[in-house]
Amino acid sequence: DIVLTQSPATLSVSLGERATLSCRASQSISTNLAWYQLKPGQAPRLLISAASTKATGIPGRFSGSGSGTEFTLTISSLQSEDFAVYYCQQYHNWPLTFGPGTKVDIK
Amino acid sequence: EVQLLQSGGGLVQPGGSLRLSCEASGFTFSRYWMHWVRQAPGQGLVWVARVSSDESNISYADSVKGRFTISRDNAKNTVFLRMNSLRADDSAVYYCAREGEQPPFDAFDFWGQGEMVTVSS
Repeated sequence: DIVLTQSPATLSVSLGERATLSCRASQSISTNLAWYQLKPGQAPRLLISAASTKATGIPGRFSGSGSGTEFTLTISSLQSEDFAVYYCQQYHNWPLTFGPGTKVDIK
Repeated sequence: EVQLLQSGGGLVQPGGSLRLSCEASGFTFSRYWMHWVRQAPGQGLVWVARVSSDESNISYADSVKGRFTISRDNAKNTVFLRMNSLRADDSAVYYCAREGEQPPFDAFDFWGQGEMVTVSS
């Protein structure tokens, strides 16, 4: 199975600051990577697919980059509604696997 | 508007059974592959099962193989997860999710709101 590692586990950020989240794959997954946002009591939300393609309706402050084994999700200017847990997921090989998540909280 | 409305969660004893449902609306359900993903308390997301648009392709995570059954009724726009021989470590919030336009290797573009399943005596 492909193992995804996310860092940091928790990221404390002030409103308006930039947040950079990392996801590393145990083997190359090309650009077959998605990012999801998860808030308590809500449905998970797709942010980014194919490593860098924003999903419909996702604000411009979210961006994704990377290929192979190293990926980054960047939130350029954190808003209050962005405090959540973010998961990366690979869909390059079966079984599909998720990273352990990065919690973004208020500094 | 795409919606996935889940139902069927609850408290069940170890060894018991439960069936989760996920009713879709706002899109042509019969065209899309569907998945179930779970999140145990304090843990991350784990893929559970998938079913292709016509049920010809079905897969399970090793942890649930032989105990869980995924199925769908395209006439009723609904995907199901039948869970038998439930164990304490099956306790989790279960989400249904729609796979994007390029199965079987695409992201999950819409998710249900989740249903809590608690396995306890």
